Order: sequence, then structure tokens, then C-alpha cells
Amino acid sequence: NAGVTQTPKFQVLKTGQSMTLQCAQDMNHEYMSWYRQDPGMGLRLIHYSVGAGITDQGEVPNGYNVSRSTTEDFPLRLLSAAPSQTSVYFCASRNNPGGTDTQYFGPGTRLTVL
Amino acid sequence: AQKITQTQPGMFVQEKEAVTLDCTYDTSDQSYGLFWYKQPSSGEMIFLIYQGSYDEQNATEGRYSLNFQKARKSANLVISASQLGDSAMYFCAMRGLTGANSKLTFGKGITLSVRP
Repeated sequence: NAGVTQTPKFQVLKTGQSMTLQCAQDMNHEYMSWYRQDPGMGLRLIHYSVGAGITDQGEVPNGYNVSRSTTEDFPLRLLSAAPSQTSVYFCASRNNPGGTDTQYFGPGTRLTVL
Repeated sequence: AQKITQTQPGMFVQEKEAVTLDCTYDTSDQSYGLFWYKQPSSGEMIFLIYQGSYDEQNATEGRYSLNFQKARKSANLVISASQLGDSAMYFCAMRGLTGANSKLTFGKGITLSVRP
């Protein structure tokens, strides 16, 4: 199993550009989520999904869109990149939206917005 | 709402000694889970250990144990016999265990450096 995969690993954008961070998992997990990690801030939840066709906002959703058309994929879209979105982005998944299941993380995408 | 507090700015430990990383939490959930993750310099998030709020025994996983004190709302991670490879950032996290949209909330992390 590949687990949770993310592409790209690194990305540099100019202010105002748009892009999509890809996330896929091959564990048939229902729950998927996106976090951003900034120095001294820990990981903060951006958006999450409890199953295909269902998404909801997390703690810091502004400037980001998500969709969940399949169980496997959960892309994160930056509509108009801003320097404040410079961060490391992690995608994560777990089997059961509730319960005690462990959440597994992808390797991360390091995004720089100039 | 849930809150995780990790206040130790940075920890140092001598190789082969034990170290405790502190974590306190606050939640209104009756049933919840506590997690510890390790983030080495390579950046990936590695799950270490889980403790359920109704578990009677403290969780252990190899050299990792969780000192769970429910009344004090603390869930400290104990690493025994530290190794150089334990140098990393450590995150405490929690989420409620009921409801389909329970979210994992993280603390700000603690940096651990193991000295040879």
C-alpha cells in the first residue's frame, strides 16, 4: 500500500496564481483532511471530508476550496495565492470518521508564495 | 471546543536517559482520544501512541508510554532510553470519539534534542 500520497512535494507560486494540491489514499478511508503547519503554530485544520460528496470547513478555511468526488482523492485548491499561504500542507486520512482509528499523514507539500 | 497545551519550548536529554514531554488538554467531550506524533527533520508525521479516555491502563508502545492523568487533564509522553534518532518535534493531539466529524486538534509541539 502506498498509504497517503501528496503531490507536488515543493511548489513556488506568485501572488494571485491558483493551483491544486493533490492528495490520494489507497486504504479506502472515509475521513480525509487537510492541515497547514506554520512555525510555532502546530497543525491547523483547513477542510475535512467524512466521505465522498461531503466536505466541511475546519479552523482556517479562507482562501481554500476542496471537493471529494471519490473516496480516494481529496484535492485542495488555492484560488488566488497569497504570501500568508506560504506553509507546509499535510493531507491525512483515517478509516472511521468517529472511533479510535489512527490518522495517517501524507509526506507534506511545502508551498512558497512570493 | 478542544484545546491542547504544550508549553515546553525545547527539551534536551542525554542519550540512554528517559524524558517526559508534557501535554495538557481541555475538552467538553466525555469520550475522547489522545495521540502523540513525532515529526523528524525530514518532515513526515509519524504516529507514536494512542490513549482513550476510558482506558484503565496507561498506553505503552515499545519505548513510548503515555502517563495519562484524567483528573488533571494531562497526557504526558515518556520516552525511555533515549536514542539519537529521537531528536524531533513531538505533537500531542486529541479528538472526540463520538460523532462523524470529530476533528483532530494539535498542540504547538515540543522540540526534543538528544545529546550523545
